[in-house]
This record gives sequence, C-alpha cells and structure tokens, in this order.
Amino acid sequence: QQQVKQSPQSLIVQKGGISIINCAYENTAFDYFPWYQQFPGKGPALLIAIRPDVSEKKEGRFTISFNKSAKQFSLHIMDSQPGDSATYFCAASSPFTGTASKLTFGTGTRLQVTL
Amino acid sequence: KAGVTQTPRYLIKTRGQQVTLSCSPISGHRSVSWYQQTPGQGLQFLFEYFSETQRNKGNFPGRFSGRQFSNSRSEMNVSTLELGDSALYLCASSLEYSSSYEQYFGPGTRLTVT
Repeated sequence: QQQVKQSPQSLIVQKGGISIINCAYENTAFDYFPWYQQFPGKGPALLIAIRPDVSEKKEGRFTISFNKSAKQFSLHIMDSQPGDSATYFCAASSPFTGTASKLTFGTGTRLQVTL
Repeated sequence: KAGVTQTPRYLIKTRGQQVTLSCSPISGHRSVSWYQQTPGQGLQFLFEYFSETQRNKGNFPGRFSGRQFSNSRSEMNVSTLELGDSALYLCASSLEYSSSYEQYFGPGTRLTVT
C-alpha cells in the first residue's frame, strides 16, 4: 500500500514538445506529492510539489495535475528543452501522520529531449 | 545559501567492513533524512533525524544506523558491509520536522562494496 507507480519508464520528446509523466498511488494517507529531477552524478532536485486541496499547480514550464478520486497525479513539461533531459521521480508522503520526510518514490522516468 | 553537503563523495570498501557517511544540512534546517538509491530498488527511505532523535525509520536491517548532532549534522553508519549495500546514499534536509515538507538533497555518497 506504500507503493507509488510511475510511468513511462522512459520517454523521448522532441524539442518544444510536451513531456507527460504519470504516477498513481494507493495509500490514501499520502497528502504531499513532490516531483524531483535528477541529472547523472547529482542528487535529486525538487521541481514542484502539490497538496490534494488543489487540482493543478504550475511553476514556469512545469505543471502538476492531481486527481484525488483516481489517486493519480502527473507532471507536464511544456516546451521541453534538451536541458530537461534527466530522470524524473514522483514521490509521496504523509505530513499529517508525522512522516512528511518519509518520501515514497516512484521508479523514475528517463526523459530524453531531442533536437 | 550553501546546499546539502555530503562527504566523502566516493568510497570503496570491502565486504565485512563498516563505513560512516557524513551529511551537513542546509543552514537552518533541522531535519535530516537518508535514502539509498540503487538501480534495482530505486530510492528508498532509510531514516530521519530531528533534534538528535530518530523520528522515522524505513525497512532496512539494523546494520544501518545513524545519528544527528546538536548542530544538525548527521552521520549514517553501515556495519558488516554486504555487496548489496553498494549504492548511492543520499542525504536530504528540511526546515523543520513535519511542518515544512520540502526536502533538499545533497549530491550523495557513492559506496562500492567489493
């Protein structure tokens, strides 16, 4: 019940296109959903995060869409750029149970943006 | 403001040995969490420390332990190393336990067990 399922495993998008990565969870106690970006040899970097009280959050070219009833959330990268090529992880945790820092991660999506 | 720092960045150890990894959180951050990243298991939560106390623990054997000092710096220790302990060990810090959710990761320590 702690699992977060992420798809696709890999994604190739042309420059300027939209990259979409999806995640689904089962544990209804999760109520904090961040996305992280990781480049080779680096630690994950927090991109954007959402709480279930909103259905969408946008920061620059990055948007999270959240569907509480379906227990799904997704990351949209608009106008994808070669510099966005990285591995993306969704995650979830339960701040109200005192485990905000205990992130459960998805398996990651390797994004490649081609010219 | 400096980010999360981890030392050493790379480490090679022999099976059966023990290892200690160090993490310095972002200035002002009081919570430190540790994660293990492997190709097979992905990113897995090890434990979290706040105010020198372990607050949360993941599903790892007792060979994995940690501690936090009064200045919020943290160390994790792995005893009796196994080949399967080869991984990237990541430290993350956040402002305050359970009231601020944003965690910021360091670059990690790459541990290779031979």
